[in-house]
Amino acid sequence: QKEVEQNSGPLSVPEGAIASLNCTYSDRVSQSFFWYRQYSGKSPELIMSIYSNGDKEDGRFTAQLNKASQYVSLLIRDSQPSDSATYLCAVERSGAGSYQLTFGKGTKLSVIP
Amino acid sequence: DAGVTQSPTHLIKTRGQQVTLRCSPKSGHDTVSWYQQALGQGPQFIFQYYEEEERQRGNFPDRFSGHQFPNYSSELNVNALLLGDSALYLCASSSTEAPFYGYTFGSGTRLTVV
Repeated sequence: QKEVEQNSGPLSVPEGAIASLNCTYSDRVSQSFFWYRQYSGKSPELIMSIYSNGDKEDGRFTAQLNKASQYVSLLIRDSQPSDSATYLCAVERSGAGSYQLTFGKGTKLSVIP
Repeated sequence: DAGVTQSPTHLIKTRGQQVTLRCSPKSGHDTVSWYQQALGQGPQFIFQYYEEEERQRGNFPDRFSGHQFPNYSSELNVNALLLGDSALYLCASSSTEAPFYGYTFGSGTRLTVV
């Protein structure tokens, strides 16, 4: 059973703090990893993609991937109230005859002013 | 620059009816995927269309079918609606040309089956 696991939260952090969101996956063939942000009642919006082990930074966001541990994380620095949303982790096999994203249930983040 | 467009935005249907949802991909994208998102859950893959053919299918019954047109737009059809089909239906488009920038989601169609 291919699964993506996330803590459902809610995760509450004060404004200006670092929010850390974690995700584990069971399919070792997974090659592409994505973090989507979804505001209540809206569609998912791509925040970060990562394909290689290590860190990838984009503004206040850093994605970390460890394929050996089957673990991917998202750090949000200087968290803002506008970051309050559900964060979805998604994985894809990519290039192995599989073209579907498998999503976790999402972690709800609340940034307290 | 138009993103992914879905219609309608909301829909109420009666159990047993049939429904058609529509999606226009982002400009430059040639692949369309459909996802179902139940309340409080992550999106679940229904199927993907490329070159007007179903390329991959998720764990959904045959009541769910689709189509892709020559202009890359797509339809999702659901027959014999069940109460459990009530969900947000998301269309995501992507390009097969390198580099891969990921999937872009539309705003979704909220389907309520009563």
